[in-house]
Amino acid sequence: DTEVTQTPKHLVMGMTNKKSLKCEQHMGHRAMYWYKQKAKKPPELMFVYSYEKLSINESVPSRFSPECPNSSLLNLHLHALQPEDSALYLCASSQEFTADYEQYFGPGTRLTVT
Amino acid sequence: AQSVTQLDSQVPVFEEAPVELRCNYSSSVSVYLFWYVQYPNQGLQLLLKYLSGSTLVKGINGFEAEFNKSQTSFHLRKPSVHISDTAEYFCAVTYRYGGSQGNLIFGKGTKLSVKP
Repeated sequence: DTEVTQTPKHLVMGMTNKKSLKCEQHMGHRAMYWYKQKAKKPPELMFVYSYEKLSINESVPSRFSPECPNSSLLNLHLHALQPEDSALYLCASSQEFTADYEQYFGPGTRLTVT
Repeated sequence: AQSVTQLDSQVPVFEEAPVELRCNYSSSVSVYLFWYVQYPNQGLQLLLKYLSGSTLVKGINGFEAEFNKSQTSFHLRKPSVHISDTAEYFCAVTYRYGGSQGNLIFGKGTKLSVKP
């Protein structure tokens, strides 16, 4: 099983809402990632968790709050987002947070902020 | 800082024709190289990767790429494309060593459009 699943597939939220994105993998991977992808752009790294600890935060605004409850799950909590935060949010995982292990991507959550 | 340049933002090609998508990287240190494909409304899928060894790397769906260290290039090729190859293709690099070695640095992408 080389699948990374993400829920929901689509999410529309207002600027005052609180919502969460969920990502799950059962490959035994110890590194998990959140990326943001705007239309016609490459993915931009937001956060990296390695062994359930936050390893990288790429200067992401605090309205995005990641959480790694266990080695299989990764959440992204959203609060007070702005319309410019509308994007495809991709989750990925890899065996380790090292260069030689490929990242497996989920299908993404398409987020629209109104 | 590491950067990746995909020289063509769009590549239109007819079905069964060969295609080459170009990728150059800037680095004075050792890197690993990847090509990912993204079909419409989907996540990214790894096509192939170069870690070491033979400079000609074969991937899925009939794609291959050649690592050229002297030209710092990693161009993607397919001898005969299908309509189903229509997608966005991203070249990516990561440092082999150091604290940022797991970070993927993506190029801006090349949109491959295969026409019948």
